[in-house]
Amino acid sequence: RKEVEQDPGPFNVPEGATVAFNCTYSNSASQSFFWYRQDCRKEPKLLMSVYSSGNEDGRFTAQLNRASQYISLLIRDSKLSDSATYLCVGYGGSQGNLIFGKGTKLSVKP
Amino acid sequence: DAGVTQSPTHLIKTRGQQVTLRCSPKSGHDTVSWYQQALGQGPQFIFQYYEEEERQRGNFPDRFSGHQFPNYSSELNVNALLLGDSALYLCASSLRGWDRRFQPQHFGDGTRLSIL
Repeated sequence: RKEVEQDPGPFNVPEGATVAFNCTYSNSASQSFFWYRQDCRKEPKLLMSVYSSGNEDGRFTAQLNRASQYISLLIRDSKLSDSATYLCVGYGGSQGNLIFGKGTKLSVKP
Repeated sequence: DAGVTQSPTHLIKTRGQQVTLRCSPKSGHDTVSWYQQALGQGPQFIFQYYEEEERQRGNFPDRFSGHQFPNYSSELNVNALLLGDSALYLCASSLRGWDRRFQPQHFGDGTRLSIL
């Protein structure tokens, strides 16, 4: 099993829609979690850290389910500017480093 | 407040050559990590430098080496380039004092390396 796995998408949604991404992780990538956003040919930018109780930042909500070993990101009221690739990231590994999923591509259409 | 800066932006090399990429961390950060991102993939951890020493290393061959300078800037060196080394190379900086599990890493724009 890969350390961090995501559905690559693409997710094509209309403006205003609610969209959710899930990500599964293995024990070796389970110390802490983040969601990063990456625009085409740009660097990854931190979107949210994921706390065990779940956390919300405006239109974005992150949830952690340790029993099932998955993390989710919910985006409400999608904007055109939300179009990007969303990277699920775990901290762990034998070296204690960030472990990235392949990313989920979101495209928000007018 | 200067963010993470990388140079060069783009680079074209041929197989067998050597390359050096450079990174200056975000102001106030002392730890630099390097990642390789192939097309359609997530970034893969190469290594991390702190106090001018390599502290952690991912599954990359010895052809990949690095250095950190007293001003915290860092270099990534790749020898004997292969076609498969074509990728976006990202530098990320962070502050060592944080619990590493929860520290956010700030990325530079990356260097796009193409091997012909």
